[in-house]
Parts: sequence; structure tokens; C-alpha cells
Amino acid sequence: SYEVTQAPSVSVSPGQTASITCSGEKLGGRYVSWYQQKPGQSPVVVIYQDTNRPSGIPERFSGSTSGNTATLTIRGTQAMDEADYYCQAWDSSNVVFGGGTKLTVL
Amino acid sequence: QVQLVQSGAEVKKPGASVKVSCKASGYTLSRYHIHWVRQAPGQGLEWMGIINPSDGGTGYAQQFQGRVTMTRDTSASTVYLDLRSLRSGDTAVYYCARVEFQSFHLWGQGTLVTVSS
Repeated sequence: SYEVTQAPSVSVSPGQTASITCSGEKLGGRYVSWYQQKPGQSPVVVIYQDTNRPSGIPERFSGSTSGNTATLTIRGTQAMDEADYYCQAWDSSNVVFGGGTKLTVL
Repeated sequence: QVQLVQSGAEVKKPGASVKVSCKASGYTLSRYHIHWVRQAPGQGLEWMGIINPSDGGTGYAQQFQGRVTMTRDTSASTVYLDLRSLRSGDTAVYYCARVEFQSFHLWGQGTLVTVSS
């Protein structure tokens, strides 16, 4: 079955750029979404169809894909961005989530 | 207000079944597919399956085949998740989520199901 892989944790200093990656075979040929989840809350989509940002999501969030890797980039990271981030892709009609990356802002 | 509202927390014994509901408001249920996703304590998101509320068509993740049933009641604007033969590993928060542009843009608040003897 198809799998996508994320690093368990990423740390970033406030104001710096955070990059969270998601790897999977031919991932660049599939639409990737990214979700932010804070403790006790439901996930929120921050990027969909690789690069699109829903209304209400700050411009500091951006997405890109290349080859087997999708990247979520957060520029000017703020303390409020500390959360778990999940990538999600489609394998035919099935949905696949990455294991999640805990972003720590310190 | 467009939202998905789920039923309340459940405590079940091993071997029992649980039925979680997800009520759509602010839009017509049949217009969008609904998926179920679960999250065990301290763990990541796990996709369970999809229901097309328009015709009731379903698709389940392989690991849940034979143990899960997703249904809908369009008159009540509600979809249901039925999970049988519960075991401790099924303890999780269960979410319903609406798909749009191949992404989950609308999530329910989650339902905690605890399986314990």
C-alpha cells in the first residue's frame, strides 16, 4: 500500500522559516494537502492541491512539490504556529496521511 | 453556519459495537463526500473510509474491511459510522470530514470512543 513519510519533529526559532517535508513515491504526481492540528482540536487544512491556501490561512504558509517530496514552508514562523502538521495524499480512491511532524517554535 | 456536528463520547467494552453520527448543517449533505478519520491517543491520523451521501456508496480502508459500515440518512442530514468487534486499539477520537478540492476542508469536532473492560 502507498505510504508517505514525515520527520517526527522540526524546531524553528520565532521569525525564521520552517520547512516540513513529506516523501512518497511519485508524490509530485498526486495532489498533496497539509493540515495543522493543535492539542485538543480538529485538524485544519492550511494547503490543498499542493500549493493552494484556503481563505483565512496566513500568507506565511506555502506549499510546493517536486519529484517524490512535498514541502510545507512557514515563513516568519510565529509561536501560534506550534502544532502537529500532517501531509495527505490520494492513492487511487484511498486517502493516505503522513505520520505527522511536531513543529516546535523556540 | 456550515458545520459537521458529531455525537458524544462513548465507552464500550471489548467485543461491542459503536455507532457514531455526524450531522451536516448549513449545506445539503448529498453535495459532498464524507470521510471518517480516527486518531488514537498521541498518534497520527488514520483514514477509515468514505461515503457518498448522494447514493450511499462506500469505500473502506483495507484494515477495517468487514468490521466497519458507513451509512447515511439524507432526511436527517446525517452520516453514521458503525464499528464492530471493538478492541482496546480502537480507542481513539473519530472524526468525520467533508471533501472539497481533494482535501478535507470541513471537520467535525471529533468523538472520543473508549474501549475498556
